[in-house]
Amino acid sequence: EAGVVQSPRYKIIEKKQPVAFWCNPISGHNTLYWYLQNLGQGPELLIRYENEEAVDDSQLPKDRFSAERLKGVDSTLKIQPAELGDSAVYLCASSFGAGTEAFFGQGTRLTVV
Amino acid sequence: QKEVEQNSGPLSVPEGAIASLNCTYSDRGSQSFFWYRQYSGKSPELIMSIYSNGDKEDGRFTAQLNKASQYVSLLIRDSQPSDSATYLCAVYGNKLVFGAGTILRVKS
Repeated sequence: EAGVVQSPRYKIIEKKQPVAFWCNPISGHNTLYWYLQNLGQGPELLIRYENEEAVDDSQLPKDRFSAERLKGVDSTLKIQPAELGDSAVYLCASSFGAGTEAFFGQGTRLTVV
Repeated sequence: QKEVEQNSGPLSVPEGAIASLNCTYSDRGSQSFFWYRQYSGKSPELIMSIYSNGDKEDGRFTAQLNKASQYVSLLIRDSQPSDSATYLCAVYGNKLVFGAGTILRVKS
C-alpha cells in the first residue's frame, strides 16, 4: 500500500514569490493534516481536514496561507507571498479518522531566499 | 505551559541498555497517544500508539500511559545505535499536538 505522497521534496524560492505544496494521502484516509516543522522543534499543526472540510485551521496564517482539499482526497497548501520566515519543512499526514494513527509523507523542505 | 512537554535531551545510553523517554500533557481529556521516531532529515515515523492506561508492548518497545498523572512514556529495551534519533510524543485531545522531541543517542 502506498504511503502519503508529497511533492515537491525541495523548493527554493525568492521572497514575495508564491509556492504550492501537494499531498496525496493514504487511500481511505479521511483525515488529512498539514504541519510545519522548524529545525529542532516538533511539528506544528497548520490545518486539519475531515474529508473536504477544514475543521481546524486556527493556526493557519490566513493572510498568506491557503489550503484546499478537493473531493476529500488530495490537498494543496499555498503560500502567497512567501516570507523569509516561512523557510521550514512542510509535512502532510493522514489517518482514517481524528485521533487514530497518523502517517507522514516525506515532507517538502522550503527555503525562501 | 506547553500542551505536550518532553525533555529535549540528549539522552545518552550504552548499547544494550534500556532507554526511557517521558512525556507529559496538559489536556486531561486527551484520548490517543503516539510515539514517533524521526531521523535527521527524515519525516516522523509512527512506532507506537496507546489509548488506555497501562502498558503496551511491541517488540523492543513498550509504551506506558497514566492518564491520572497525564504522563506517557516509551521504553526501548536492548537499545541499538540504529535507535539514535529524535523521539516525538504526540497527543490527541481535540487536535494532534506534538512535543518538541527528545534526542536519543545510543553509544556502541
